[in-house]
Amino acid sequence: DGGITQSPKYLFRKEGQNVTLSCEQNLNHDAMYWYRQDPGQGLRLIYYSQIVNDFQKGDIAEGYSVSREKKESFPLTVTSAQKNPTAFYLCASSKVGQGANEQFFGPGTRLTVL
Amino acid sequence: AQKITQTQPGMFVQEKEAVTLDCTYDTSDPSYGLFWYKQPSSGEMIFLIYQGSYDQQNATEGRYSLNFQKARKSANLVISASQLGDSAMYFCAIDQAGTALIFGKGTTLSVSS
Repeated sequence: DGGITQSPKYLFRKEGQNVTLSCEQNLNHDAMYWYRQDPGQGLRLIYYSQIVNDFQKGDIAEGYSVSREKKESFPLTVTSAQKNPTAFYLCASSKVGQGANEQFFGPGTRLTVL
Repeated sequence: AQKITQTQPGMFVQEKEAVTLDCTYDTSDPSYGLFWYKQPSSGEMIFLIYQGSYDQQNATEGRYSLNFQKARKSANLVISASQLGDSAMYFCAIDQAGTALIFGKGTTLSVSS
């Protein structure tokens, strides 16, 4: 079955540590995205990529980094520079181009900083 | 810049009744798309329905329909014959120049028996 996988589902981190969240898709989508969701809030865009080896900052990129070395993979690193990293992180993918390019989402990773 | 406004933090409806979730948007692009997603308590985001700015008819998908009023910049989601499983958070979103989505803050829908 095609879809998006994110791992781990729950992640605990000590302050000052970097942590990497995994996102893999087998939908053959060109575009991938990372969103952050805080309790009771909507999703905010962190980074997105429309092609391998290229990515763009979203609205809240500070303290995060990404890479896109393969079409299927778009890992997100939460660095120690991110002041309030505890949140729910969602990865998504979509086709690129005009029209109803709905985004397909993974199950998410809940990150807690201790 | 695009913006989505969802003014209803919470809505309550009884089973089998219809409910309308409000969404207004702001954009200067002549071509855009509007999306509705459902987020159950598990956290996954489920795509429900899409409306393109040039679509002549309102979108429908099963029990979901979109009341698209372009001049008023509104794209309200109508759920007919509500079911207990419809209890979730609902997000309206607009595509940003064909790239990422801008989401509203969501509306929590509670369906009671």
